[in-house]
Amino acid sequence: DTEVTQTPKHLVMGMTNKKSLKCEQHMGHRAMYWYKQKAKKPPELMFVYSYEKLSINESVPSRFSPECPNSSLLNLHLHALQPEDSALYLCASSQDWGNGYTFGSGTRLTVV
Amino acid sequence: DQQVKQNSPSLSVQEGRISILNCDYTNSMFDYFLWYKKYPAEGPTFLISISSIKDKNEDGRFTVFLNKSAKHLSLHIVPSQPGDSAVYFCAASGSGNTPLVFGKGTRLSVIA
Repeated sequence: DTEVTQTPKHLVMGMTNKKSLKCEQHMGHRAMYWYKQKAKKPPELMFVYSYEKLSINESVPSRFSPECPNSSLLNLHLHALQPEDSALYLCASSQDWGNGYTFGSGTRLTVV
Repeated sequence: DQQVKQNSPSLSVQEGRISILNCDYTNSMFDYFLWYKKYPAEGPTFLISISSIKDKNEDGRFTVFLNKSAKHLSLHIVPSQPGDSAVYFCAASGSGNTPLVFGKGTRLSVIA
């Protein structure tokens, strides 16, 4: 298995909802990442987990809460989002830091 | 300050001709460079990479050139095909626990 699987592919949520994005990989990668991408912009790093520990939080608002239950899974819990949080959320993994990234196809999130 | 720069937001090339996408970086600690291709509403797909110990890496129709003294790299696609039409992101990382930094991307259109 050489893929990063993200679910759901599309999500529409209201500003008072609580939802979660899921990411899974079975390549034995020990680093996992959440990126946010707005239209016509590069992916922006949100969080990095290394060996299931949060290593980087790029000053992301607390309405985004990451979780790494085990080495294969990465979740992003969403609560009280704003319409401007609508974007493509990408998960990626790598064997170790810095190279060999594999990206998932993303979750297209719309906050209404 | 943007550490990875792709100064051309778009590029149009005729089918069969060469496409050259450019990327400049400012951080001299970067030692690994990657190119990703991205279709709309999908995650980036790894295309080709180069480490700082090399100045050229070739994979089929894709060749990446690295000029360390100029802090410049380029992606050559020859011959260009309509299916190559996508946004191309240049990304860089340094050794030791540094995540990828992306450029803003160049939209390539290959015209039949």
